[in-house]
Amino acid sequence: GAGVSQSPRYKVTKRGQDVALRCDPISGHVSLYWYRQALGQGPEFLTYFNYEAQQDKSGLPNDRFSAERPEGSISTLTIQRTEQRDSAMYRCASSRGDGTYEQYFGPGTRLTVT
Amino acid sequence: GQQVMQIPQYQHVQEGEDFTTYCNSSTTLSNIQWYKQRPGGHPVFLIQLVKSGEVKKQKRLTFQFGEAKKNSSLHITATQTTDVGTYFCAGLRTGGAQKLVFGQGTRLTINP
Repeated sequence: GAGVSQSPRYKVTKRGQDVALRCDPISGHVSLYWYRQALGQGPEFLTYFNYEAQQDKSGLPNDRFSAERPEGSISTLTIQRTEQRDSAMYRCASSRGDGTYEQYFGPGTRLTVT
Repeated sequence: GQQVMQIPQYQHVQEGEDFTTYCNSSTTLSNIQWYKQRPGGHPVFLIQLVKSGEVKKQKRLTFQFGEAKKNSSLHITATQTTDVGTYFCAGLRTGGAQKLVFGQGTRLTINP
């Protein structure tokens, strides 16, 4: 079936604007994760959901970042009042959530804040 | 908090040479996963190790999980140009949490 999809693939926004990044996980996957990946670094955990419940948001950098997954499928990561330091690749991953924990990553959204 | 360190950061080899990357966690892990990311691509799952001292092989790739479940290694025998990419280890700590902590990766380049 289809893999994890993310939109938009590229987003350029001006400092101070809000942005919403969307993730569409593999159908039937229970768990959904958000990561931020800087160039030359590994993915950095932001938050994750099991079904619609946000289980851990300890990686969100500050209160300008929030995420939701209202129906247990599609998720949105929102960044309010963007700053230049928010520029990065934002990746979403999903897993079956049956204990295997293998994660399937999407192509990412490259966010540039000018 | 939990940290996962990976060395080396970069490795350049001649095609046909072997390659090894090492991963160390500051805390005991329930399991460790390995991912490969090609240039311009996204991380792709390779394998998961769960048991202390576990060794798994995938063709030319050999993965090991340390006895103390705090370190791991990936060894590639006789590298090929298709092995180019960045290899990440990612650890899941004990306690049932699903928060995966990634190392910074080892970038492998190969001279054909």
